[in-house]
Amino acid sequence: NAGVTQTPKFQVLKTGQSMTLQCAQDMNHEYMSWYRQDPGMGLRLIHYSVGAGITDQGEVPNGYNVSRSTTEDFPLRLLSAAPSQTSVYFCASSYSGRVADNSPLHFGNGTRLTVT
Amino acid sequence: GESVGLHLPTLSVQEGDNSIINCAYSNSASDYFIWYKQESGKGPQFIIDIRSNMDKRQGQRVTVLLNKTVKHLSLQIAATQPGDSAVYFCAEHGYSGGGADGLTFGKGTHLIIQP
Repeated sequence: NAGVTQTPKFQVLKTGQSMTLQCAQDMNHEYMSWYRQDPGMGLRLIHYSVGAGITDQGEVPNGYNVSRSTTEDFPLRLLSAAPSQTSVYFCASSYSGRVADNSPLHFGNGTRLTVT
Repeated sequence: GESVGLHLPTLSVQEGDNSIINCAYSNSASDYFIWYKQESGKGPQFIIDIRSNMDKRQGQRVTVLLNKTVKHLSLQIAATQPGDSAVYFCAEHGYSGGGADGLTFGKGTHLIIQP
């Protein structure tokens, strides 16, 4: 199993550009989510999905869109990049949509995004 | 929601010694806790978890202790090795319900191993 795979690993965008961060998992996990990690702050939830066709907003959803057409893939779209979106983005998945089911998150290795 | 905090941002230990990383939480309703390890340039890696109905749980070279009375969580790493150098952070499940799972992540403690 490759686990959670994120592409690209690095990306530089100019303000106003759009792009899609890719995330795929091969563990047949129902739950997938996107986090951003900024210096001095804990991981913050952007969007999540409890299964194919279902998505919902997390703590910091503004400026991002997601879709979940398949169980395996959960892309994150930046609609119009802003410098405030400079961050490291992590995709995660878990077997159950509920962490309370003893189903911890498995993370990808991140996409490091810089917006100039 | 309430946040999870860590006592020390950096912890330096000698190779071979035991390491103890601490985490304080403030939500008495939290029912599930997870420790993650994050090496430079990588994503967080699950280490061990514990439910609120337990006080202690052991894994390979790691032990998590939960003290609900003082809302304190600790991760003990036995015989620390150079490969243990990383940022460690805890996550707290603060409320029931699906979706975002109510997970709150701490900011992390950087464990440095001295040769």
